[in-house]
Amino acid sequence: QKEVEQDPGPLSVPEGAIVSLNCTYSNSAFQYFMWYRQYSRKGPELLMYTYSSGNKEDGRFTAQVDKSSKYISLFIRDSQPSDSATYLCAMTLGANSKLTFGKGITLSVRP
Amino acid sequence: EAGVVQSPRYKIIEKKQPVAFWCNPISGHNTLYWYLQNLGQGPELLIRYENEEAVDDSQLPKDRFSAERLKGVDSTLKIQPAELGDSAVYLCASSPGGKTEAFFGQGTRLTVV
Repeated sequence: QKEVEQDPGPLSVPEGAIVSLNCTYSNSAFQYFMWYRQYSRKGPELLMYTYSSGNKEDGRFTAQVDKSSKYISLFIRDSQPSDSATYLCAMTLGANSKLTFGKGITLSVRP
Repeated sequence: EAGVVQSPRYKIIEKKQPVAFWCNPISGHNTLYWYLQNLGQGPELLIRYENEEAVDDSQLPKDRFSAERLKGVDSTLKIQPAELGDSAVYLCASSPGGKTEAFFGQGTRLTVV
C-alpha cells in the first residue's frame, strides 16, 4: 500500500461545476498538507497549504483536512476551463522534509 | 522574484551516455530538492540538500546518479551512464529554511533512446 492514495482519474466536468478531489494517507505522522496544480509540460505549482484539521479557503478553492480519518480534499467552486490540469496532493512530516505525493488526477473542465 | 530555474528543458540522449541537469533555486532558499516524475505519477524525492549538505539521498541510485550543490546555491544532477528507464521529468524544487512549502521549477524532460 502506498503512503498516499489519490482518487484515480481522469475527471471531466462541465464549466461551473463543483469539483471534489480527494486523497487518503496511511502515515499518521504527516503534519502538513498541500495541493499542487500541474499544467501539461510544466512544473507543479503550489495551490493550497494547510497544517491542521479543518478547512482553508482561497477564492474558489477550499482545502479540507481530516487527520482522524487521514483524508484530505480539495474543492473547486465554479470550475473554469483554465482549471484543467493535473492536481497532486502532497504531504510532509515537517519543515524542509520531503514531500510525499499522490499519483495526481487529471481534471478537464468543458466549456 | 524569479522562480526556480532549470536547464535544459528537454534532453534526448542515447543510452549509456552521460547527462547533467542544472538548477538555480529561489534566492535565499536553503533547502533544495531533486525529484523524479514518471509519466502518470507524482514526483518522488531523489535527494534533498540543506545548504551544501545532502541530508537525504536514500532514494538516489548511487551507482549511476550523482548530485552536488557547491556553495549551497546552484545544483547539478548527473546520470552516468543513462538507461532507457531513466526517461522521465527531473524536477528541482526549493524552500526557505524552516518552511514546508516547496516551489518547483519547470523540470527537465529526459528521453533516453
